[in-house]
Amino acid sequence: QKEVEQNSGPLSVPEGAIASLNCTYSDRVSQSFFWYRQYSGKSPELIMSIYSNGDKEDGRFTAQLNKASQYVSLLIRDSQPSDSATYLCAALYNFNKFYFGSGTKLNVKP
Amino acid sequence: GAVVSQHPSRVICKSGTSVKIECRSLDFQATTMFWYRQFPKKSLMLMATSNEGSKATYEQGVEKDKFLINHASLTLSTLTVTSAHPEDSSFYICSARVGGGDYGYTFGSGTRLTVV
Repeated sequence: QKEVEQNSGPLSVPEGAIASLNCTYSDRVSQSFFWYRQYSGKSPELIMSIYSNGDKEDGRFTAQLNKASQYVSLLIRDSQPSDSATYLCAALYNFNKFYFGSGTKLNVKP
Repeated sequence: GAVVSQHPSRVICKSGTSVKIECRSLDFQATTMFWYRQFPKKSLMLMATSNEGSKATYEQGVEKDKFLINHASLTLSTLTVTSAHPEDSSFYICSARVGGGDYGYTFGSGTRLTVV
């Protein structure tokens, strides 16, 4: 099993602040990385994917990838209470298998 | 968009019985589906890869005789938890690749299994 690591949190930020979520992975074979949001009792929903070094922005979300450091992050700008959820980092191996981190619980306080 | 339908959403069964979970791809064909298990406050763990018309590939540590996977058609994969025990209580989720590109993977809604 490939290893994807995340800080379990909880990470608490005030409404309107920037939330920064981090993830490291241990296998250099991984080429694609994903951030999923999961509400309690629900399936994960895709937020963003990234596979090139650098930043990728989509609305309030920015994913960052540093392959040399084997590090992936997700920034959420203008955090809203509705962003409160568990965020899962995932790495795609062999072009078809996802391996997930343990997830970071985000709590955005009004 | 492409949808993976998973049933049942919740099931409670007695210890020692078997439970079948279905995962259907709607409006697309899925030659490969993936089964995950998630324990409370834990991440998703890949259990097995389900291949249409052939045997499933199980991840290390997953008992293939306990978790029977059948992928008899391009739109249906089933996971049967045999002789279930309370420690099998978990959230089971299936996933399928819709098509090319990074957004091509979609998850079912999950099945909450409780073994009493």
